[in-house]
Amino acid sequence: EAQVTQNPRYLITVTGKKLTVTCSQNMNHEYMSWYRQDPGLGLRQIYYSMNVEVTDKGDVPEGYKVSRKEKRNFPLILESPSPNQTSLYFCASSQGIADTEAFFGQGTRLTVV
Amino acid sequence: SQKIEQNSEALNIQEGKTATLTCNYTNYSPAYLQWYRQDPGRGPVFLLLIRENEKEKRKERLKVTFDTTLKQSLFHITASQPADSATYLCALPRSNDYKLSFGAGTTVTVRA
Repeated sequence: EAQVTQNPRYLITVTGKKLTVTCSQNMNHEYMSWYRQDPGLGLRQIYYSMNVEVTDKGDVPEGYKVSRKEKRNFPLILESPSPNQTSLYFCASSQGIADTEAFFGQGTRLTVV
Repeated sequence: SQKIEQNSEALNIQEGKTATLTCNYTNYSPAYLQWYRQDPGRGPVFLLLIRENEKEKRKERLKVTFDTTLKQSLFHITASQPADSATYLCALPRSNDYKLSFGAGTTVTVRA
């Protein structure tokens, strides 16, 4: 079954404690991205990757890092989380940048206290 | 700047009626447009992609139109059912970098 898997689904952490949200896809997609979703603001892209070792900033990259060492995995790293990073996060993958359907993970609800 | 606007208010309709959602955009010239469904707390799920030369596309009870002159897409759910209750997002590629940008979504509630 084609899918994008994120972990964890829910996470509560304290300010400043480094965390990683994992994302893995089994469709051999080249393009992967991370979004955050906040009420009234819709989905905003954090980072994206065109292929292995190729990553770039999206619209709201501050406070986040990513890596793409393997094609299937695209972890999101918060080196020093702050309360304004409390949000619902989604990983997505697609064969192309925007002309093919994007497959989304089930989401990670992060709360930073 | 580029902007995507969807129905600003939630849509409440009676089962069996047709729901019509709008997606208006400015400062874009997209060659295609996508629609997604999102249930609360879950990731968006792809529904349809329509290209600029297609004007209309159907999938089961869903119909999408794309008017590049009006810079608008309409999304119709015919014979609506309570199971259609969800938030519907439109998405289109940005002119400068072709990355997918999403509208804020329209929440549809279908009453039995």
